Amino acid sequence: AQKITQTQPGMFVQEKEAVTLDCTYDTSDPSYGLFWYKQPSSGEMIFLIYQGSYDQQNATEGRYSLNFQKARKSANLVISASQLGDSAMYFCAKRGDMRFGAGTRLTVKP
Amino acid sequence: DVKVTQSSRYLVKRTGEKVFLECVQDMDHENMFWYRQDPGLGLRLIYFSYDVKMKEKGDIPEGYSVSREKKERFSLILESASTNQTSMYLCASSPGQGWGETQYFGPGTRLLVL
Repeated sequence: AQKITQTQPGMFVQEKEAVTLDCTYDTSDPSYGLFWYKQPSSGEMIFLIYQGSYDQQNATEGRYSLNFQKARKSANLVISASQLGDSAMYFCAKRGDMRFGAGTRLTVKP
Repeated sequence: DVKVTQSSRYLVKRTGEKVFLECVQDMDHENMFWYRQDPGLGLRLIYFSYDVKMKEKGDIPEGYSVSREKKERFSLILESASTNQTSMYLCASSPGQGWGETQYFGPGTRLLVL
């Protein structure tokens, strides 16, 4: 099975600082994409950002950006200027087979 | 806004009961999915459907079945619930004929099997 790996079960960040959440993937597909989702304590999964393997530039959506390194097969999520409301679980998922990583629990400290 | 609803937020059932989890989406999406979520394991795909009356097994279909009689509704069935099926169940839908589209999720159902 083509795996998605998130190596950080939990992360802490100070409010207003930036944080990077890691995601590496295993794929033999020539064309693929990576999604990031946020899951607050309410349980609903919220789509944050998407990066296609052939996109020329790293994806950005507001305070979210992807540090996409194709050769390393990594698609790390960068959250800038963290807010208390960013505290949640974050999941990386691969387009196509929609496999998800185990998730990272981010806690933003005031 | 895409809206995916699930019939219950919380359910408590007894071992051996037949359990139905309902999912409805209102955006005419082709694809629908059922996942279970367990701590440390992320989301694991149980079944998915790309059309009415069509279904495909995901990674962990054992002990589950699904039904898609109408485009907007995708039901997950636990034929005989067991304690190891205690979990959070998430339904999702996505547009289009392919698998490249963003999935939209429902709020989830926390199922406890006693």
